[in-house]
Amino acid sequence: DAGITQSPRYKITETGRQVTLMCHQTWSHSYMFWYRQDLGHGLRLIYYSAAADITDKGEVPDGYVVSRSKTENFPLTLESATRSQTSVYFCASRREIGYSYEQYFGPGTRLTVT
Amino acid sequence: DQQVKQNSPSLSVQEGRISILNCDYTNSMFDYFLWYKKYPAEGPTFLISISSIKDKNEDGRFTVFLNKSAKHLSLHIVPSQPGDSAVYFCAASEGTYKYIFGTGTRLKVLA
Repeated sequence: DAGITQSPRYKITETGRQVTLMCHQTWSHSYMFWYRQDLGHGLRLIYYSAAADITDKGEVPDGYVVSRSKTENFPLTLESATRSQTSVYFCASRREIGYSYEQYFGPGTRLTVT
Repeated sequence: DQQVKQNSPSLSVQEGRISILNCDYTNSMFDYFLWYKKYPAEGPTFLISISSIKDKNEDGRFTVFLNKSAKHLSLHIVPSQPGDSAVYFCAASEGTYKYIFGTGTRLKVLA
């Protein structure tokens, strides 16, 4: 099925561990994004990617690493997880139709750092 | 410093009436605005967008209004339906890839 998927959907990890959240899209959209959603903050952009091997920081990139070796995959790695990184993480890709830009979001990964 | 603000955390509306969700922004360089709807345990879904060269965009029951002088946009849902109950986020961008989201408004449509 076409779409955007995230795995795992739920993850509990300990402080200091490395964690990788996976994101896969089947549309071949050029742009992909990672957001985190926290109470009182809405959705905040962590990193985005304009194409394979092109990534850039968003609002809150500290403590996160991304890579994009293939157009369809955009993994997000927490190199040494901290409790402040407990959040719901959303991956998105962007469709461009003329002057309209629509982001399609995955179902989210709920990460708890203990 | 919140560049995009949704000052009403929640809103309740009777089924069939109009729902009006508001959003204010501070950055006059924002030139593209979007509304998303989010159900629990799901990702946000795109609803409607508007470019800064327009002041209104309509799609079925959903209309977005943009007032650039007031730095304000609103989403009108007419008529409201119980299935519209969700959290609504507005977002703004300068250019086309860095979106800034508001904190969301929870809409409850009462049957």
